[in-house]
Amino acid sequence: EPEVTQTPSHQVTQMGQEVILRCVPISNHLYFYWYRQILGQKVEFLVSFYNNEISEKSEIFDDQFSVERPDGSNFTLKIRSTKLEDSAMYFCASSKVDSNQPQHFGDGTRLSIL
Amino acid sequence: QKEVEQDPGPLSVPEGAIVSLNCTYSNSAFQYFMWYRQYSRKGPELLMYTYSSGNKEDGRFTAQVDKSSKYISLFIRDSQPSDSATYLCAMKGQGGSEKLVFGKGTKLTVNP
Repeated sequence: EPEVTQTPSHQVTQMGQEVILRCVPISNHLYFYWYRQILGQKVEFLVSFYNNEISEKSEIFDDQFSVERPDGSNFTLKIRSTKLEDSAMYFCASSKVDSNQPQHFGDGTRLSIL
Repeated sequence: QKEVEQDPGPLSVPEGAIVSLNCTYSNSAFQYFMWYRQYSRKGPELLMYTYSSGNKEDGRFTAQVDKSSKYISLFIRDSQPSDSATYLCAMKGQGGSEKLVFGKGTKLTVNP
C-alpha cells in the first residue's frame, strides 16, 4: 500500500540553526500538509499546500517557517533560526484530488533543538 | 470550551472486550470525522472516515457520529493485544478550512 515517507526520522539541531524536513507524499495525491505534535500535546495543523502554493496556514506557521515542493515528488518544511520550543514531532500528510478526501500521514520526524 | 475533547485514559481492557472510545466537539461546522490509530513512535494511521451523521462499520471497528449531540464514538469488538495504541479522533469542516482538528488521543492497552 502506498505511504507517505519522511526523512530523517530524528534530527538534532542547535538553537538558531536552520533545518529542513523532507517528505515524499503518496504519488497520486495533490494536497500536502504539515502538522506537529509537541510531546504530550495534541497534533496541530501547520500548513496546507496545493497547486504549488500555500492554501491555508495556522497562527503557528509564522515567518520562521516555509514550505516548498522542489520537484515532482518531494515536499519540504524549512524552519529558519530554530528555537527550543520548535522541538516536536513533525508529520507530513497528503490527500487525493479533493481536500475532503482523508489525509494519510507519514511516521514523522522527531526534531530536537539543543 | 475546547474545540475537540477526548479522554486521554489510559484505558486497559482484557483481550476480547468491546472497547468504546469517544470525543465531543463544539464546532458545528465539522462535517468529516476520522479515527486514527497511532502506535508508539509512528504516525497516525487512518482507521475510519465518515461524513456527517450515522454509522460506519469496517471489520471489528464501528464509527458512530451524532451531530445533534456533537459526539463521535469508535467501537472495537473482540479487542486484540495488537489494538494497543493511542486512538486519535480528528475532524474538519466542509470546503473552506482543510485543517484537521485533533483530540488529544486515548491510550488503549489490551491485555492478553
